[in-house]
Amino acid sequence: EAGVVQSPRYKIIEKKQPVAFWCNPISGHNTLYWYRQNLGQGPELLIRYENEEAVDDSQLPKDRFSAERLKGVDSTLKIQPAELGDSAVYLCASSGLPTNTGELFFGEGSRLTVL
Amino acid sequence: DAKTTQPPSMDCAEGRAANLPCNHSTISGNEYVYWYRQIHSQGPQYIIHGLKNNETNEMASLIITEDRKSSTLILPHATLRDTAVYYCIVTNAGNMLTFGGGTRLMVKP
Repeated sequence: EAGVVQSPRYKIIEKKQPVAFWCNPISGHNTLYWYRQNLGQGPELLIRYENEEAVDDSQLPKDRFSAERLKGVDSTLKIQPAELGDSAVYLCASSGLPTNTGELFFGEGSRLTVL
Repeated sequence: DAKTTQPPSMDCAEGRAANLPCNHSTISGNEYVYWYRQIHSQGPQYIIHGLKNNETNEMASLIITEDRKSSTLILPHATLRDTAVYYCIVTNAGNMLTFGGGTRLMVKP
């Protein structure tokens, strides 16, 4: 069974340019997460979806970040315009059970470098 | 969610047991202890979780103290491929994880 698929794996852009990341969760998983991981730190939650509804986006910088999960499957995270401080790894995860025992499955991440 | 405290780094000899400690003195009664690990350039991977009792699976064992204020993740026979950052997370919802800095485990030949 395929895991969580993310693309691109690497992206280098100049500041003020837009960038988008794509995530395909594990088939059948209703919950999808976007995390951001700065160098040397643990991942930080940006947004969580239950099906197509964003149920927790309190940590998403809404002035420049946006996300969507059309049809409750794939998701896209966009940054426009990118700033130097946005350089990080953007991780997507999915889970199938909104319960205490539900584990998260992570993709390999998309590494963004803003010059 | 309760906060956790982990040593920033540890070394372990290949083939020996790796014992990774975690303090969570403010844990509440309905909070679980989860462990994830992150190998370089990969996303975090679930290892194990527990509430009160000790747990074991094919990857590791989790020992939780009786007062639940601390726990230890045990990798019984560490290999070079176990070199990773290990995160201890306390949460009342397994699908809501707040990662700290973790412990960087270096397994040496």
